[in-house]
Amino acid sequence: EAGVVQSPRYKIIEKKQPVAFWCNPISGHNTLYWYLQNLGQGPELLIRYENEEAVDDSQLPKDRFSAERLKGVDSTLKIQPAELGDSAVYLCASSTSGRSYNEQFFGPGTRLTVL
Amino acid sequence: DAKTTQPNSMESNEEEPVHLPCNHSTISGTDYIHWYRQLPSQGPEYVIHGLTSNVNNRMASLAIAEDRKSSTLILHRATLRDAAVYYCILRAPNDMRFGAGTRLTVKP
Repeated sequence: EAGVVQSPRYKIIEKKQPVAFWCNPISGHNTLYWYLQNLGQGPELLIRYENEEAVDDSQLPKDRFSAERLKGVDSTLKIQPAELGDSAVYLCASSTSGRSYNEQFFGPGTRLTVL
Repeated sequence: DAKTTQPNSMESNEEEPVHLPCNHSTISGTDYIHWYRQLPSQGPEYVIHGLTSNVNNRMASLAIAEDRKSSTLILHRATLRDAAVYYCILRAPNDMRFGAGTRLTVKP
């Protein structure tokens, strides 16, 4: 069974440019998460989807970050415009249900460098 | 918010047992204790979880104190591939917050 797929794995952009990350969760997982991980720290939740509905986006900086999961399967996270402080690893995870204690399965992440 | 406290780093010798401690004195009655680990350049992966009783699986064992205010992840024989950051997390239905974790170094 394929795991969580993310692309690209690495991205280098100039500040003020837009960037997008893509995630395909494990088949059948209706809950999808986007996390931000700064160097030396644990992941921090940005947004959680139950199917196509964003049920927790309280930590998403909505002035520059946006996300979508139109058909309740794959998802895209966008930053526009990117700032130097956005350099980090962006992780996607999925689980069978967010309203439970089920384990989350993580992708390898996208490492973003903003110059 | 319920939080966990872990040592920043630990070292172990290969093929020896490792005990990774975690304090969670503010744990609530419905919080599960989950452990994840993150190998270099990878996303976190689930290791084990428990509520009140000790738990064993193919990867590790979890020992939970009787008052649930602390727990210990036990790797019975550390290998070089176990070198990772280990996160102890209090898991509520809609909440899973990572701390900084413990960086485990395994020496050959």
